[in-house]
Amino acid sequence: GEDVEQSLFLSVREGDSSVINCTYTDSSSTYLYWYKQEPGAGLQLLTYIFSNMDMKQDQRLTVLLNKKDKHLSLRIADTQTGDSAIYFCAESKPSGTYKYIFGTGTRLKVLA
Amino acid sequence: SAVISQKPSRDICQRGTSLTIQCQVDSQVTMMFWYRQQPGQSLTLIATANQGSEATYESGFVIDKFPISRPNLTFSTLTVSNMSPEDSSIYLCSVDDASGARFGPGTRLTVL
Repeated sequence: GEDVEQSLFLSVREGDSSVINCTYTDSSSTYLYWYKQEPGAGLQLLTYIFSNMDMKQDQRLTVLLNKKDKHLSLRIADTQTGDSAIYFCAESKPSGTYKYIFGTGTRLKVLA
Repeated sequence: SAVISQKPSRDICQRGTSLTIQCQVDSQVTMMFWYRQQPGQSLTLIATANQGSEATYESGFVIDKFPISRPNLTFSTLTVSNMSPEDSSIYLCSVDDASGARFGPGTRLTVL
């Protein structure tokens, strides 16, 4: 199947770290992505990781990939109120199909 | 990365009418993609629009309901035809670049 699963909600206090988790089913996925969607806006690409990597860090964002368990996570350090949004993980198929499968989305709420 | 704009940003329409959504990209791209995001849901690919050929529709979407135009390499339109309240969604235009899928700001459609 082509399911990408995420927990629906996450609430953290400002300044804490947030960890958003994602599981996927297709081991042939080439890249995995994290997108942020703020209210009333489109999706913003935050970061991506190639499937042969296990970690990628970009400023406050750390992506961890466990390919054996098909588990992807996004850690946001020092979470701010501006990080409140819906976060989608997505996987892409091998080249030639340009097909992305998006997760169900995790709504992150940051409490001041 | 590509800059994508969409018009209109939102609309409220009566059932049985049609709405055409425009997508403009600031660079030439081979493929443009149209997604639907139903309320509280993830993204679902409607179709892929290639310049000079008919759009390729995903399972569950048909040309009569969602006709697409792609007159040149920077522009596409999606029409939502004979609308019903079930068509109330955000419609997103997307293109690929080297980092992944990039999205327009979306068109929020409400059908009464």
